[in-house]
Amino acid sequence: KQEVTQIPAALSVPEGENLVLNCSFTDSAIYNLQWFRQDPGKGLTSLLLIQSSQREQTSGRLNASLDKSSGRSTLYIAASQPGDSATYLCAAGNTPLVFGKGTRLSVIA
Amino acid sequence: NAGVTQTPKFRILKIGQSMTLQCTQDMNHNYMYWYRQDPGMGLKLIYYSVGAGITDKGEVPNGYNVSRSTTEDFPLRLELAAPSQTSVYFCASRRSPENNEQFFGPGTRLTVL
Repeated sequence: KQEVTQIPAALSVPEGENLVLNCSFTDSAIYNLQWFRQDPGKGLTSLLLIQSSQREQTSGRLNASLDKSSGRSTLYIAASQPGDSATYLCAAGNTPLVFGKGTRLSVIA
Repeated sequence: NAGVTQTPKFRILKIGQSMTLQCTQDMNHNYMYWYRQDPGMGLKLIYYSVGAGITDKGEVPNGYNVSRSTTEDFPLRLELAAPSQTSVYFCASRRSPENNEQFFGPGTRLTVL
């Protein structure tokens, strides 16, 4: 059974800092891995999707990597801004898509 | 495109009442999902559908029912609501599981008292 773990559970950084969020999964037979952002009281917004044949995806200041052999994915956020404050969730698999519990990020101005 | 829409946004139910959470997507996606999210926990899959007329149980299906009569709509039915069903419910869709993103609706916040 696929299990997804995100560390740390919460992170607070000063504005402008580069940061890395971690996601690990137990079953490497995944179709893809997806990173989401969730603002308080809101739904999930898809940030990046890494297909199983890919090693990374980039969108603006975000870069996500995937290492299936080690069961890990990282989300790199460059030059963090207060507007990046949110909970970041990763999800791995097919159906069902298995979610981690998220990392709550606070970027302090 | 409106994407995935859900109604209602909020609802308070009494124990034993029933209700239907509505979900509609206008992206012609085959796959649709219902999740629940409890505080501090990840999302748990309740039911999913791979196309009109086809549904299957997820991780936590007890106390819920679904139907999929059209590609666009995937309602979730709660029968005999219980306090344990207090949660935020999200509907999601994707074109196919391989190489495609999953898109989420804004959620329905349900409280059972």
